[in-house]
Amino acid sequence: GENVEQHPSTLSVQEGDSAVIKCTYSDSASNYFPWYKQELGKRPQLIIDIRSNVGEKKDQRIAVTLNKTAKHFSLHITETQPEDSAVYFCAASLRSSNTGKLIFGQGTTLQVKP
Amino acid sequence: DAGITQSPRHKVTETGTPVTLRCHQTENHRYMYWYRQDPGHGLRLIHYSYGVKDTDKGEVSDGYSVSRSKTEDFLLTLESATSSQTSVYFCAIGDNYYEQYFGPGTRLTVT
Repeated sequence: GENVEQHPSTLSVQEGDSAVIKCTYSDSASNYFPWYKQELGKRPQLIIDIRSNVGEKKDQRIAVTLNKTAKHFSLHITETQPEDSAVYFCAASLRSSNTGKLIFGQGTTLQVKP
Repeated sequence: DAGITQSPRHKVTETGTPVTLRCHQTENHRYMYWYRQDPGHGLRLIHYSYGVKDTDKGEVSDGYSVSRSKTEDFLLTLESATSSQTSVYFCAIGDNYYEQYFGPGTRLTVT
C-alpha cells in the first residue's frame, strides 16, 4: 500500500539552530502535504501545508519545500526555540476520490536544548 | 479547538466489552475521521465519513465500526474490545479538500 517515510525519528538541536525533517511519499498522485505539531499530551495541530503546484511555502520561522520529481518534502524550522520541542508529523494525500484521506509519517521527536 | 469535542476523554474497559467513542463538531464540516495513535506508528486511519450515512474503511478498520446519523456526530464502536485496541483515539474534521483538524483525543485502556 501507499506509505510515507519520515526521518529522522528523533532530532536534538541547540536553541537558535535550524532543524530539518524529511519525508518521502509513494503515491505519485499525492497533491497535498501538511505538517502537524503535537506537544506532549495534546492534539496534533496543523502548522503548515503545501500543495503540489507550489515548490516552497514559508510562515515566519517555518518553511516547507516539495520536490515532486523525487517525491519528497521537508520541514525547515529556523532559529529554533524551546517551545518548538514536540513531535512533528508529515502527511500526504491519497489518490482516492473526494475523501480527503491522508497517510501520515511515523513522526519526529524534536528536542530543542536551551 | 472548541469546534471539536470527544467523549469520553479517558476510559478503562475490560476485554470483550463493547465501547463507543463519540466525536462532536460544531463546524458543519463534511468530512470526519477516526485515527488511532500508537508509539512508532504515527496516526493510522480507522474509518472516515464523507457525509451523513456515508462512511468507509481506513487502513486499520478490523474490529471497529462507525456511524454518522447527523453531520455533527461521528461514533466509533469497538464491537468487542481487545488489549490490542488500547490506544489514543483522535477524531478529525475537514471541509475543504484534505485540511484536517483534530479533536482532543480519547485515551482508551483495555484490561
